[in-house]
Amino acid sequence: SQTIHQWPATLVQPVGSPLSLECTVEGTSNPNLYWYRQAAGRGLQLLFYSVGIGQISSEVPQNLSASRPQDRQFILSSKKLLLSDSGFYLCAWGLGVYNSPLHFGNGTRLTVT
Amino acid sequence: AQKVTQAQTEISVVEKEDVTLDCVYETRDTTYYLFWYKQPPSGELVFLIRRNSFDEQNEISGRYSWNFQKSTSSFNFTITASQVVDSAVYFCALSEAMAAGNKLTFGGGTRVLVKP
Repeated sequence: SQTIHQWPATLVQPVGSPLSLECTVEGTSNPNLYWYRQAAGRGLQLLFYSVGIGQISSEVPQNLSASRPQDRQFILSSKKLLLSDSGFYLCAWGLGVYNSPLHFGNGTRLTVT
Repeated sequence: AQKVTQAQTEISVVEKEDVTLDCVYETRDTTYYLFWYKQPPSGELVFLIRRNSFDEQNEISGRYSWNFQKSTSSFNFTITASQVVDSAVYFCALSEAMAAGNKLTFGGGTRVLVKP
């Protein structure tokens, strides 16, 4: 069966520091991968998605970037965090067809101080 | 552009009452899927149900049922005989066949609080 791992679970970082969140998927090949962000009390906003190694699509211009160095690895990064980057970050994978649900990791709660 | 609206931000019920969550969507695509997800306090999103745009037959699965009406672009979700464990945030989501990346567009979520 497929599993998705996301770490760390919580993170407190000062403004201006770098960020690296990692997500890996097991049990499937060539998945679509996604990064969503959920601000406190708000809905989910798609940040990036990837349909293959090295292929990154950005949905919202911002202070963040994403990379997919391996088929089942998806990384969310920032060179300098802003206060507004605080939130709950969720990684997800899908089969790449519109009728397939996305499957989410447990999320990373990021607090920028 | 696609859009999903959940007008109810929070619903509070007493255990064993039924809860109906509203979802209204906008899309230009004729082929799409609709989903409901549950987010318990622990934070992870759990996939519950899905429905395709060509099938308006309403269904029941255990204590969950859904009412899909294409004419009003609504995809409502009902929890029958609610339990305390149903307390969570529920999200409605849309996936369009023509959208790049097969991404999901989510509504703002409805927080359900089931009191014992």
